[in-house]
Amino acid sequence: SQKIEQNSEALNIQEGKTATLTCNYTNYSPAYLQWYRQDPGRGPVFLLLIRENEKEKRKERLKVTFDTTLKQSLFHITASQPADSATYLCALEGGRGYSTLTFGKGTMLLVSP
Amino acid sequence: DTAVSQTPKYLVTQMGNDKSIKCEQNLGHDTMYWYKQDSKKFLKIMFSYNNKELIINETVPNRFSPKSPDKAHLNLHINSLELGDSAVYFCASSQVSGSSPLHFGNGTRLTVT
Repeated sequence: SQKIEQNSEALNIQEGKTATLTCNYTNYSPAYLQWYRQDPGRGPVFLLLIRENEKEKRKERLKVTFDTTLKQSLFHITASQPADSATYLCALEGGRGYSTLTFGKGTMLLVSP
Repeated sequence: DTAVSQTPKYLVTQMGNDKSIKCEQNLGHDTMYWYKQDSKKFLKIMFSYNNKELIINETVPNRFSPKSPDKAHLNLHINSLELGDSAVYFCASSQVSGSSPLHFGNGTRLTVT
């Protein structure tokens, strides 16, 4: 069956360090992968999209990689700040032809000052 | 301006009641969705509407029915509420490009007592 797995434990890092979050998937052949940020009591907010033919995508302090051989995406936040503390969700296209995303459970990131 | 707005934000009701959650988007998007986020924070697709046609109907109980009066609105009706329906329900919208990001509302926390 299809599965999306993200770091199950919360990730605690110090301000200024680079946070790396992992998204692994099985039994998918997604054409693209998306990352979202979710704050408590709010809906997820889109951050980045990476396509299967792209190895890496950057946006300001964010970087996403996509390895379709390993079936893995890594999400990096460089020079992390306490304001980056949130839950980060990866999402894969469900293969139904429309924009039907299936989400991982998310990884909670805590950045300490 | 709020892009995707849903009401109410909180809904507390008793088992057996019928309730509705409203959603509106002002982004001009063609597709709208309902997602359910349970106590384990797992975000699962329930329904998707494209140009007033239901294009996904995941295995949700038929007590749940989406209703779309026009392209900008997708309401969720729930009949005979059960304790297990307690969750946060998110409305979202996107363009129908297959890879479009989702824009989420801030959720409706439903508590069934």
